[in-house]
Amino acid sequence: EAGVAQSPRYKIIEKRQSVAFWCNPISGHATLYWYQQILGQGPKLLIQFQNNGVVDDSQLPKDRFSAERLKGVDSTLKIQPAKLEDSAVYLCASSFRGSWTSGDTGELFFGEGSRLTVL
Amino acid sequence: GNSVTQMEGPVTLSEEAFLTINCTYTATGYPSLFWYVQYPGEGLQLLLKATKADDKGSNKGFEATYRKETTSFHLEKGSVQVSDSAVYFCALSAAGGYQKVTFGTGTKLQVIP
Repeated sequence: EAGVAQSPRYKIIEKRQSVAFWCNPISGHATLYWYQQILGQGPKLLIQFQNNGVVDDSQLPKDRFSAERLKGVDSTLKIQPAKLEDSAVYLCASSFRGSWTSGDTGELFFGEGSRLTVL
Repeated sequence: GNSVTQMEGPVTLSEEAFLTINCTYTATGYPSLFWYVQYPGEGLQLLLKATKADDKGSNKGFEATYRKETTSFHLEKGSVQVSDSAVYFCALSAAGGYQKVTFGTGTKLQVIP
């Protein structure tokens, strides 16, 4: 079974430029998450999709970050314009159903991450 | 809100030493608890999990027991190997509604030969 795919693995940009990250979750997984992991910290949830709808984007800096999940499969996370403090690894994860009522216990499957450096 | 607190790192141990990484949580209801591991240059992967009080999760020689009375989920291994060097994250998945997973800050483990 193919895992969660992310690209690019590495990206270096100047501040105020834009960048986009792509994620392809495990086939059949309804829930997709984007996390930001700053060096030395735990992953912080940016946005959570259930199929192609957003269920939590409370920590997404909406003035510069945007995300979409077309047709409930692939997702793209965009940053425009980037700031120095956006330097981090952006992790995509997916889970099967994402709902407690379905009996899913919440295991996440992660991609390898996209490392962003903003100069 | 929900939160996870785990011991500060880095933790440096000699090969075959006993490992404990402490993790405590705050949550309403009965969350599921997880340990994820991140090896150098790789993404996070599930190490073990427990879904109800007194459950013991185990994998690759690691164990953790869901202790509701102390709101803890400490990770243990009796004899660590160099290959266990990684960052370990404690996490919880909140009960009810759409799952939201909250992570601790991570504990870096370095095992020296």
